[in-house]
This record gives sequence, structure tokens and C-alpha cells, in this order.
Amino acid sequence: AQRVTQPEKLLSVFKGAPVELKCNYSYSGSPELFWYVQYSRQRLQLLLRHISRESIKGFTADLNKGETSFHLKKPFAQEEDSAMYYCALSAYSGAGSYQLTFGKGTKLSVIP
Amino acid sequence: NAGVTQTPKFQVLKTGQSMTLQCAQDMNHEYMSWYRQDPGMGLRLIHYSVGAGITDQGEVPNGYNVSRSTTEDFPLRLLSAAPSQTSVYFCASGRTPVGPQHFGDGTRLSIL
Repeated sequence: AQRVTQPEKLLSVFKGAPVELKCNYSYSGSPELFWYVQYSRQRLQLLLRHISRESIKGFTADLNKGETSFHLKKPFAQEEDSAMYYCALSAYSGAGSYQLTFGKGTKLSVIP
Repeated sequence: NAGVTQTPKFQVLKTGQSMTLQCAQDMNHEYMSWYRQDPGMGLRLIHYSVGAGITDQGEVPNGYNVSRSTTEDFPLRLLSAAPSQTSVYFCASGRTPVGPQHFGDGTRLSIL
């Protein structure tokens, strides 16, 4: 079974400091990995997917298959980045079905 | 486009009552799913559907029923509400289960 681990429940950084939100996954095949973000009182929205290899709002994430990681990074944190971040893995779960599995989330707090 | 619409936004139930959480999407997505979000637990998959007439269980299906009679609608039924089902419920849809998912605003459910 697939598993997603986000080791930090809360991460506090100062404005302008670099940010790294950690995500490790467990899956024997080739996963599809995503980062979703939930701003206060808003719905979850897709931030990044590994397959697109793009930068959104200054965030990037690189899939490291050797370390089974998909860490989210931003060189300079902004106050508006404060939110809940979820790493998610979409993978085949058997019997012709796929499941999207979420980590428990990391709350990022950017201190002015 | 409304995207994914969930109703109601808030609901308070007594133990043993039943109710249906509504979810509708206007993007013609085949894949729809229900999650519950609990503090420290992230999002956990309750049920999902890969198309009209097809549903399957996720990680935490007990106490919930779903049906998918149309592409647009995917209601979640609580058969006999229990305090352990107090949570925030999110509905999501996507073209495929492995691609980006679009989420609704959520339903905050309290069971007394």
C-alpha cells in the first residue's frame, strides 16, 4: 500500500527566509506526486505536480526516486505563503483502481 | 463554471440521525471522491467513483454510503450519525484518478 509522510506538522520561518516542506513516499511503482495547498478558509487547490516540473508562486518540487522524496521548496518565503500544505500520491491500488493518498499536512507559518 | 459545489456548508446532527451531503460538478469529470479531514490526520479517502454507476471504498468507508447515478452528482450518505463522524468533508473531482483533483469548499459536520 502507498504511504505519504510529512514529518513536520508545523513549520515557522521568517519572511524572506528559504522554505522546505518535506515529503517522503512509499510506493513500489512509478508514482504521480502532487502538492496541494489550503489557505485559511479556502478550498484545497493544486499547487504543483511532479510531471509538469513547473514553478508556481515561486515554489518548486523535485521528485527524487532514490530517496523517495518530493520536497517543496521556495527560496524566499512571503507572508501570503502561510497555509496548510499537503503532499499527495496517486498510485495504482489494485483491481484496476487508483487512489490519491494524502500526507497529514504541514502548516507553514511565515513570520513578518 | 461553478466547479465542485458542496451543500450544506455546515450541519449539526444528533447521534443516530441520517443525512446526505451533496456534491455536484460541472466539468464532466469521470472521477469523483469524498474525503474527511481531521486535525492531525490529513485527508482520508472515504469512497470514490470512476464513472456513473461505479463506486468503490476508500480507506475509511464504514458508516457511509455513496451512489453515482449521473456524471455530475456524487452524494455521500451517513446512515446513522456517530460523534466519531464529526469532521470536515471534502468532495473532489478530476478527469482521471491520477491527475489533478478539484475540491469543493467542504462541509463542516458536527454530531452531538
